[in-house]
Amino acid sequence: NAGVTQTPKFQVLKTGQSMTLQCAQDMNHNSMYWYRQDPGMGLRLIYYSASEGTTDKGEVPNGYNVSRLNKREFSLRLESAAPSQTSVYFCASSEALSRGYEQYFGPGTRLTVT
Amino acid sequence: AQTVTQSQPEMSVQEAETVTLSCTYDTSESDYYLFWYKQPPSRQMILVIRQEAYKQQNATENRFSVNFQKAAKSFSLKISDSQLGDAAMYFCAYPTSGTYKYIFGTGTRLKVLA
Repeated sequence: NAGVTQTPKFQVLKTGQSMTLQCAQDMNHNSMYWYRQDPGMGLRLIYYSASEGTTDKGEVPNGYNVSRLNKREFSLRLESAAPSQTSVYFCASSEALSRGYEQYFGPGTRLTVT
Repeated sequence: AQTVTQSQPEMSVQEAETVTLSCTYDTSESDYYLFWYKQPPSRQMILVIRQEAYKQQNATENRFSVNFQKAAKSFSLKISDSQLGDAAMYFCAYPTSGTYKYIFGTGTRLKVLA
């Protein structure tokens, strides 16, 4: 049982390049999330998916797109990377979109945009 | 708007001693949950403890306990018998109603001194 996995772990991009961050969970969870973590700012929600087939914007969605490929997988795409997107990105999942449920996090992807 | 505030960017504690990390939040809701997550140097976010607002009793998990004061909107984490493995960033989190987005505090870095 791997939990939540993310690839890649590290990535360096040049401004304007695109890339997709992959996330998968093997816990049969319905809800999945993408966060970014910046120094001194905690975690901020980029997008989330309440269930397979649905996605919604979070707090900081500009410059990102997501795809809920199936129940297991939720990808985050940067179409044209900018230095402001340098951050650590976390994927998370929970059993359902409910306040009482714990969120399980992946190990994160450290992205640097030069 | 709901907010979560952690006013201590960094704390230190001697091994085997007790330390308390502070968290305050602002909400107009009466029924909600609060969480403490731990982020060790590995970056993996791990749930430490969860509190349901309607429960009068403070949550405990082994050496971890909370002091939940609903009227004061305070949710502090007490770590007893601190161990070197407790060294990490600790985040307080509040899942909002409706969209169930988590709002995270900015974190407290805990150092454990041998």
